Amino acid sequence: NAGVTQTPKFQVLKTGQSMTLQCAQDMNHNSMYWYRQDPGMGLRLIYYSASEGTTDKGEVPNGYNVSRLNKREFSLRLESAAPSQTSVYFCASSEAPFGGTDTQYFGPGTRLTVL
Amino acid sequence: QKEVEQNSGPLSVPEGAIASLNCTYSDRGSQSFFWYRQYSGKSPELIMSIYSNGDKEDGRFTAQLNKASQYVSLLIRDSQPSDSATYLCAVNRGNQAGTALIFGKGTTLSVSS
Repeated sequence: NAGVTQTPKFQVLKTGQSMTLQCAQDMNHNSMYWYRQDPGMGLRLIYYSASEGTTDKGEVPNGYNVSRLNKREFSLRLESAAPSQTSVYFCASSEAPFGGTDTQYFGPGTRLTVL
Repeated sequence: QKEVEQNSGPLSVPEGAIASLNCTYSDRGSQSFFWYRQYSGKSPELIMSIYSNGDKEDGRFTAQLNKASQYVSLLIRDSQPSDSATYLCAVNRGNQAGTALIFGKGTTLSVSS
């Protein structure tokens, strides 16, 4: 039982390049989330998916797109990376909203630098 | 008013002392409250969850919730150097069908030996 996994762990991009961050969970959770964490800003929600087939914007969605590929996988895409997107990205999952708790469990994170 | 507020610290305590971390929140409809610990360079890990007014104890950790005053706190007894980390308070959005959590910016705790 690996919990929440993320790939890659580290990535360096040039401005304008695109990339997809992958996230998978093996806990049969319904909801999945993408956060970014910047110094002094705390964790900010980018997008979330309350169930397979649905996605919703969070606090800072601009410049990102997401895909809930199936119940296990939730990907985050940067179409044209900007230096302002340099951050640590965390994926998380929870049982809720269809029963269970809304406790969120986090992946190990992806450190992204955009030059 | 920010939705979840914490003192950024650093909060410094000697080994063996009690560390007290506080958090206030603005959404009166919130029902779920969490404390996460985050070591430098690592991901947040859950320490405690609390849903009802009062105290909840788990080993050296005690979470306290007061919905009327809209605050939640975490007490760490017999603090150890290994407790040195950033502690994040998180609260759910009471009026959303989803379960998005709002996180405070965290309090940095330093325990000196």
